[in-house]
Amino acid sequence: AQSVAQPEDQVNVAEGNPLTVKCTYSVSGNPYLFWYVQYPNRGLQFLLKYITGDNLVKGSYGFEAEFNKSQTSFHLKKPSALVSDSALYFCAVDQTGANNLFFGTGTRLTVIP
Amino acid sequence: NAGVMQNPRHLVRRRGQEARLRCSPMKGHSHVYWYRQLPEEGLKFMVYLQKENIIDESGMPKERFSAEFPKEGPSILRIQQVVRGDSAAYFCASSPPARVTGELFFGEGSRLTVL
Repeated sequence: AQSVAQPEDQVNVAEGNPLTVKCTYSVSGNPYLFWYVQYPNRGLQFLLKYITGDNLVKGSYGFEAEFNKSQTSFHLKKPSALVSDSALYFCAVDQTGANNLFFGTGTRLTVIP
Repeated sequence: NAGVMQNPRHLVRRRGQEARLRCSPMKGHSHVYWYRQLPEEGLKFMVYLQKENIIDESGMPKERFSAEFPKEGPSILRIQQVVRGDSAAYFCASSPPARVTGELFFGEGSRLTVL
């Protein structure tokens, strides 16, 4: 069985500071890992993915994520937060590679001006 | 290049009525996924379809819910005899053939309110 945990419901960070949104996963075998962002009343937008290769993955809007196999984590990071980054962020795992994503419960990021 | 189109965006039904939600995938995409998002919760997978085939319906409630993706036309998620607990946002996503990109493209959702 696969699962994803986002331990923080809410993350607050000051504008210009680095941000981290945490995600841990549990799958059998090699995971496909994703981050999506949801703005109010909108659908989810793809940010980045890890399939294989370099553990540091760069994505849209300056976001990046680091795959850590030993800690089974895939934390989302950005060096300098913008107010416009405020949104709901979802981590997801795909165990089979068939695009059948299993989502975490989401973390609401608020960037304070 | 239009994205994933869902309609209606908002739907209000009384208990016992039927709700039909439609999803047109992105051009060139042959795979459709339906997810449900309850208030303050994450997305829960419901069903994965290809044209004329249900591939995985492990997330679908056993009763009242059905989905189809006909050869022509949009995918339809149908909820019969709705109850208040069906109130949620229903998101459709599409993708090219599996194992190509690993990315899903989501529509803006259909928000169902059951009175």
